[in-house]
Amino acid sequence: GAVVSQHPSRVICKSGTSVKIECRSLDFQATTMFWYRQFPKQSLMLMATSNEGSKATYEQGVEKDKFLINHASLTLSTLTVTSAHPEDSSFYICSAKDGNQPQHFGDGTRLSIL
Amino acid sequence: AQSVSQHNHHVILSEAASLELGCNYSYGGTVNLFWYVQYPGQHLQLLLKYFSGDPLVKGIKGFEAEFIKSKFSFNLRKPSVQWSDTAEYFCAVPASGGSYIPTFGRGTSLIVHP
Repeated sequence: GAVVSQHPSRVICKSGTSVKIECRSLDFQATTMFWYRQFPKQSLMLMATSNEGSKATYEQGVEKDKFLINHASLTLSTLTVTSAHPEDSSFYICSAKDGNQPQHFGDGTRLSIL
Repeated sequence: AQSVSQHNHHVILSEAASLELGCNYSYGGTVNLFWYVQYPGQHLQLLLKYFSGDPLVKGIKGFEAEFIKSKFSFNLRKPSVQWSDTAEYFCAVPASGGSYIPTFGRGTSLIVHP
């Protein structure tokens, strides 16, 4: 079946650094990719939607300058958390879909900012 | 916008017990509903979905869910759980219209004791 690879699975870094998370579709073309964030004991929240070759569409309340999303190819999207702070610590998960097919999710990235 | 609520946040069962996880949705026009599962250390997977037709939906791994319009509910059921069903279960509705972008509930953690 369709596979989405997300890397890294876990990252710990100092406050003020920038962190890049990659999301790759391994055996299908991801025309659309999504980035979610999950706080402990809360729902998965959609952060942004990106279509290949276009600028990402951010959900209300998500800072586009803080969370940079690039979807430059049909198999790769990246999320960069710029100047990360402890409050950015969370579980980030991507998903991808081809056209109107259902989404396939990555394994998620546990981000911890010290 | 539609939303969902899951009232059982933690469920502990013994093997062979029957399972029912509650999910209630807010009315927002056309109703489409999903259940996702996340096994420990794995990515989210789609268990089943309802878009129209038979309100009793069969999913993978013996799961089913029933759409009851009068109760605004889409509860997930399994007659006899197994230890391997230990996972986190998320009910979801599309963020808008008939899209595949889900808005998730808070999730229910299911632990099945052997």
